[in-house]
Amino acid sequence: DQQVKQNSPSLSVQEGRISILNCDYTNSMFDYFLWYKKYPAEGPTFLISISSIKDKNEDGRFTVFLNKSAKHLSLHIVPSQPGDSAVYFCAARYAGGTSYGKLTFGQGTILTVHP
Amino acid sequence: NAGVTQTPKFQVLKTGQSMTLQCAQDMNHEYMSWYRQDPGMGLRLIHYSVGAGITDQGEVPNGYNVSRSTTEDFPLRLLSAAPSQTSVYFCASRASVGNTQYFGPGTRLTVL
Repeated sequence: DQQVKQNSPSLSVQEGRISILNCDYTNSMFDYFLWYKKYPAEGPTFLISISSIKDKNEDGRFTVFLNKSAKHLSLHIVPSQPGDSAVYFCAARYAGGTSYGKLTFGQGTILTVHP
Repeated sequence: NAGVTQTPKFQVLKTGQSMTLQCAQDMNHEYMSWYRQDPGMGLRLIHYSVGAGITDQGEVPNGYNVSRSTTEDFPLRLLSAAPSQTSVYFCASRASVGNTQYFGPGTRLTVL
């Protein structure tokens, strides 16, 4: 039962254009969402996050949008650069249970930005 | 600050062998966790710890043991390796306040 889904395994974009990566979730108990970026042979690194009480968070070229009613979030990268080529994971934090706040990850989307 | 370190980077085991994947962090983070990454599956939580002496199971704990005797270290033990445990393993840590997890560089494990 995949509670966080990234339905696009890959995305190819021209340099300078917008990249839009999508993520859907099913569990309404998720209260915080994060995007991680991963280069080959490295660990994931934190990119941007959003609380469930907001619908948008912006950090430079990166913006995350959250649509709670649709249980959908998206990451916009504008303008895209070749160095953005990586695997992008969305993750959701579970609000219930222990204080640990387990993260559930999507399958990842491979972004390729062509010069 | 080295952040989160993992050793070894690569390991090949035969079925039935045991080994320990090492993880250490120097950020004084209370929370640490182990994930495995498999194609098409994203990152799945194996075990986690909210402090020294406290561990709990994640999503896919079978075949793995952990212990947390110090704040800095969180080793992952494979008791009897199986081909299904071929994967890339990531250790992560975060402070008890805040949501950002910091990941190590990963260990690529192959079980023959």
